[in-house]
Amino acid sequence: GAGVSQSPRYKVAKRGQDVALRCDPISGHVSLFWYQQALGQGPEFLTYFQNEAQLDKSGLPSDRFFAERPEGSVSTLKIQRTQQEDSAVYLCASSFLEGGYEQYFGPGTRLTVT
Amino acid sequence: KNEVEQSPQNLTAQEGEFITINCSYSVGISALHWLQQHPGGGIVSLFMLSSGKKKHGRLIATINIQEKHSSLHITASHPRDSAVYICAVGRVLNDMRFGAGTRLTVKP
Repeated sequence: GAGVSQSPRYKVAKRGQDVALRCDPISGHVSLFWYQQALGQGPEFLTYFQNEAQLDKSGLPSDRFFAERPEGSVSTLKIQRTQQEDSAVYLCASSFLEGGYEQYFGPGTRLTVT
Repeated sequence: KNEVEQSPQNLTAQEGEFITINCSYSVGISALHWLQQHPGGGIVSLFMLSSGKKKHGRLIATINIQEKHSSLHITASHPRDSAVYICAVGRVLNDMRFGAGTRLTVKP
């Protein structure tokens, strides 16, 4: 595709529900990043993949957060037993070069936990 | 103290005004990015720079590595420039740190 796409764009979940957020990076991009952006704040790093390998997951806030990229393209961020503090925009970005800085961002998924 | 500080947090301007947004950082970096985020969350990369100055249309970005400071300028501002502008610094590999953003509103 022309850019990074994410789905769904908006998700409302009841507290305790599990959610899955999808990211389709630009074709051929090696690196994929997930960020969490709380209202009025800049994005915060969650996790990073290089192809299918999850090289850094130090930003995941708890063990309820899990990300995968099994075939090195599409990635899914899963949040189990959602809490209200999980409400945020979840941004995905991809980059062509391994560890490259020119990241292309998706439109984000706005998650609201009620 | 945040590693990346932006000022101002909010900025309102009249159409046609010259706008400056500032970014200061406290860590060693390999590159600095200016990003634009429109309502709805989508982020567009405006500039990536590691020294000097870059210009694209009405946008100009400068960086002073010694002073650990960067500025984003918008000349002849327009209502469509209204967005949140985010400064982000890249250290090594995936370690990118973001400022909280500057919310710009340009009134016609």
